Amino acid sequence: DTAVSQTPKYLVTQMGNDKSIKCEQNLGHDTMYWYKQDSKKFLKIMFSYNNKELIINETVPNRFSPKSPDKAHLNLHINSLELGDSAVYFCASSQESTSGGSEQFFGPGTRLTVL
Amino acid sequence: AQSVTQLGSHVSVSEGALVLLRCNYSSSVPPYLFWYVQYPNQGLQLLLKYTTGATLVKGINGFEAEFKKSETSFHLTKPSAHMSDAAEYFCAVSPGGTSYGKLTFGQGTILTVHP
Repeated sequence: DTAVSQTPKYLVTQMGNDKSIKCEQNLGHDTMYWYKQDSKKFLKIMFSYNNKELIINETVPNRFSPKSPDKAHLNLHINSLELGDSAVYFCASSQESTSGGSEQFFGPGTRLTVL
Repeated sequence: AQSVTQLGSHVSVSEGALVLLRCNYSSSVPPYLFWYVQYPNQGLQLLLKYTTGATLVKGINGFEAEFKKSETSFHLTKPSAHMSDAAEYFCAVSPGGTSYGKLTFGQGTILTVHP
């Protein structure tokens, strides 16, 4: 009964490959996010989707493409992987209100290592 | 624009001692403020948040934080540390009064608890 789940948990791949990370939430939330946590543990938002629509798109290379087939899923596809993409990627979800301030629930993370 | 500064990347206390983790923020609008905790190899979990109303907010596991607008601070405290409190703690800010508020995180503080 995991609230926010991600697959895979670990991903090791070669430079130049294309890979995807999947995220699913069973909380009935309407908003989902992708965050990147680098080697210094700095956590930065990448994307946010609300009801399958892109809401937040930070300065992220075009090689990163999020896809939300439905409200419960937000996948992250990465093309032409680079060494600097190595990080832990966290998916999160929340139920947004017009006044904001909603708690975000985080998945366990996907540790991506690019060799 | 928003930013968060957590003073001290590492804090070490003895079991039973006071825990104080410092967070200062910068925001062009009234902020919403959050503290999240991350245990090793896990996602982030919300400890507490301030949106509006009472400036002293209580969270889970005996933690509390006080919003001080004049000092632009939101320090996290716990009267008596427990070994299980050892983790990394992140302060975060989002623009108040708006939906889909983007969370901006501080760099994190690792709390170590000695027996």
